[in-house]
Amino acid sequence: GENVEQHPSTLSVQEGDSAVIKCTYSDSASNYFPWYKQELGKRPQLIIDIRSNVGEKKDQRIAVTLNKTAKHFSLHITETQPEDSAVYFCAASRKDSSYKLIFGSGTRLLVRP
Amino acid sequence: KAGVTQTPRYLIKTRGQQVTLSCSPISGHRSVSWYQQTPGQGLQFLFEYFSETQRNKGNFPGRFSGRQFSNSRSEMNVSTLELGDSALYLCASTRQDNTGELFFGEGSRLTVL
Repeated sequence: GENVEQHPSTLSVQEGDSAVIKCTYSDSASNYFPWYKQELGKRPQLIIDIRSNVGEKKDQRIAVTLNKTAKHFSLHITETQPEDSAVYFCAASRKDSSYKLIFGSGTRLLVRP
Repeated sequence: KAGVTQTPRYLIKTRGQQVTLSCSPISGHRSVSWYQQTPGQGLQFLFEYFSETQRNKGNFPGRFSGRQFSNSRSEMNVSTLELGDSALYLCASTRQDNTGELFFGEGSRLTVL
């Protein structure tokens, strides 16, 4: 069945360092891969996404890479700041007419000042 | 523009009871989806509605049901509540364009005693 595995479950970095979160998906028909950030007590919010026809996408300090062959995608955060501390969820879906996202289990990122 | 609104925000029920949760999407959004968030299972897809029709359903028992009204507002119902149904229920709405971004509400936190 459809499944997305996410690692690590927790990640602690020093402010200014980089953080990398990795996800693997099982459904080879998946073609849309968003990342959501959820701060404590808040709603999840989209921070970046990538489609299967693109290998990499960058937005300021955040980048996502996709390896379709390995069914693997990763989130890279550079120059981390304390406000980056949150839970990050990767997800995958078939981008057809239905918005069904299969989420990973989440990574709790702590950026130490 | 107002965001996705969910009511009630918090509720406590006992085993065997039933509950109805409500979601008002962002104005103009016609797709509404529901997710269950628990510490152990992360975000799990329940169902998605578009134009009053259920387009997709997750792997939840029949006790979980939903519907959408002509104004795009949606409700979900859980009957015969079990302790394991305690969770944060998140509703999300989506523009019917090619972006795929989900706009989440703040959720309804259900506690089953």
